[in-house]
Amino acid sequence: EDQVTQSPEALRLQEGESSSLNCSYTVSGLRGLFWYRQDPGKGPEFLFTLYSAGEEKEKERLKATLTKKESFLHITAPKPEDSATYLCAVHLLTNTGNQFYFGTGTSLTVIP
Amino acid sequence: DTAVSQTPKYLVTQMGNDKSIKCEQNLGHDTMYWYKQDSKKFLKIMFSYNNKELIINETVPNRFSPKSPDKAHLNLHINSLELGDSAVYFCASSRAALGQGISPQHFGDGTRLSIL
Repeated sequence: EDQVTQSPEALRLQEGESSSLNCSYTVSGLRGLFWYRQDPGKGPEFLFTLYSAGEEKEKERLKATLTKKESFLHITAPKPEDSATYLCAVHLLTNTGNQFYFGTGTSLTVIP
Repeated sequence: DTAVSQTPKYLVTQMGNDKSIKCEQNLGHDTMYWYKQDSKKFLKIMFSYNNKELIINETVPNRFSPKSPDKAHLNLHINSLELGDSAVYFCASSRAALGQGISPQHFGDGTRLSIL
């Protein structure tokens, strides 16, 4: 559980108020970092995969970036329908083999 | 068509009972997973099967037994249910196993298990 930390735990934004979510990981050996969106009562929905530092991916109002030890999910001019929990996950290759860990998520609420 | 489907969506049962959750994927993926999501929304991997073969078995009580009749199905059987088993269980699939490549996992909508 400590391998991946997401902040903040919860975020309330006014519609149109841009912000960023953070995902940081402490373990070496990153093979890929994934962002997911989870709506209440649903399973996580895949958004992006990032493989190496400097990489960026965009989809509508979301942009994911990756540095050596953290990733940011930037939300530009959010709308109420962007309200959800955003999860990041890391695929690591360690001395014990391939590992996959989720963070605890950021609950985003966008207020009209 | 739903890509990863789980049944049942809700499961309410008494402590000590045995129950099963079924999962099917129509994505043509070789790898399937079971996750447990606790009350704090933390998702933890339990098992992973690649082409019907168990490849990940995290520290999970042996009351939990996965079974994969074919690569499109992965079921989870739980014996002697305990109060602490109450959680949401998610099935997922991916094109490649963790040791074979980097591919995103696609999730079902979960089975909410409540133990009385």
